[in-house]
Amino acid sequence: LAKTTQPISMDSYEGQEVNITCSHNNIATNDYITWYQQFPSQGPRFIIQGYKTKVTNEVASLFIPADRKSSTLSLPRVSLSDTAVYYCLVGDLFSGGYNKLIFGAGTRLAVHP
Amino acid sequence: GAGVSQSPSNKVTEKGKDVELRCDPISGHTALYWYRQRLGQGLEFLIYFQGNSAPDKSGLPSDRFSAERTGESVSTLTIQRTQQEDSAVYLCASSFEGGPHPYEQYFGPGTRLTVT
Repeated sequence: LAKTTQPISMDSYEGQEVNITCSHNNIATNDYITWYQQFPSQGPRFIIQGYKTKVTNEVASLFIPADRKSSTLSLPRVSLSDTAVYYCLVGDLFSGGYNKLIFGAGTRLAVHP
Repeated sequence: GAGVSQSPSNKVTEKGKDVELRCDPISGHTALYWYRQRLGQGLEFLIYFQGNSAPDKSGLPSDRFSAERTGESVSTLTIQRTQQEDSAVYLCASSFEGGPHPYEQYFGPGTRLTVT
């Protein structure tokens, strides 16, 4: 299983861009990279998923370099409501590996006024 | 449509009692997962169902924990002879093979279990 490493916490201010980097040095060829967001007292919520290069949706972008040993979640112009824990997960989604996706401690993002 | 629901939302029980936690996944989702989350910690995988079968029970912490799923729908997680270290939020998620994001997991609100 690919192990991930993320910063424990980050601080930012409203309106700034936030980049959270996740390291996954032993990522396998078939592994996808998925990010989830969790607010207090709620279950995690899917944010974005990618395999390589760049993926963008309405809430975030995911940058994956060619070697895929890391990935960066980018949140543009954060607001107070983006204060949450962000989890990076790596796993093979098509060979039964998704059931072994491991949610680590995540990155606790605090957005300040 | 309706999301994943879990009941009860909160459960307080005495040490040594058995508890049963329920999860109703999104209709049509074939995969179902149980996780445990202790205060301030990440999610700990417990068990995964594909249909009514549980090919991976490796995360169950002890033989006091068991789970079943029926009708490829509702699932129950049972904890026998509860201990104080079982206190946590128990989260259920479901997923399906289709959609734009493979096996995106949809989480319920969780059941907060407190063992006194």
